[in-house]
Amino acid sequence: RKEVEQDPGPFNVPEGATVAFNCTYSNSASQSFFWYRQDCRKEPKLLMSVYSSGNEDGRFTAQLNRASQYISLLIRDSKLSDSATYLCVVALDTGRRALTFGSGTRLQVQP
Amino acid sequence: EAQVTQNPRYLITVTGKKLTVTCSQNMNHEYMSWYRQDPGLGLRQIYYSMNVEVTDKGDVPEGYKVSRKEKRNFPLILESPSPNQTSLYFCASALRTSGTDTQYFGPGTRLTVL
Repeated sequence: RKEVEQDPGPFNVPEGATVAFNCTYSNSASQSFFWYRQDCRKEPKLLMSVYSSGNEDGRFTAQLNRASQYISLLIRDSKLSDSATYLCVVALDTGRRALTFGSGTRLQVQP
Repeated sequence: EAQVTQNPRYLITVTGKKLTVTCSQNMNHEYMSWYRQDPGLGLRQIYYSMNVEVTDKGDVPEGYKVSRKEKRNFPLILESPSPNQTSLYFCASALRTSGTDTQYFGPGTRLTVL
């Protein structure tokens, strides 16, 4: 079983749509949670951290459910520029600082 | 401009020919790390460094070496590359070795071993 599992997609949605991605993680000791965005095999870039109380950044909302070991990302009012692969990432807060990545969910926003 | 740089960006080589991929950051970060990305597997950590002269293995260290002689540089060395090391490689850095500091990634090096 993969440590971080995501639906690979692709999710094809029209502009303006609301889309949600889910992710599950297997290590209950995980302490830090993130969503990264990766464009067309370029470097991953941090989209947002995910906090236990849930957090919002503009059109993006992230939720964490520690009991179910589940993370979600909601994108409202999708833009063409949101087309990318979204990577669910978890980390143990140890010196190794290794980020454990999901394989990513591809989003294609269509005009 | 704060950044992580990698060179070369693209490399095609043959089995057994030693190569080095350089990584440099200008943010005075303590922590640096190498990942490889393969389809369906996500990014996996190869090696990491918590500071100068301090390095350790990640999840997939076989066939790789690293060094951290200076804070800003963290080269990845493939002594005898093999075709299964064909991959997209990313270097990353973070300010500290603990906490939830953002990790910044370099632009990637696409390596093909024939």
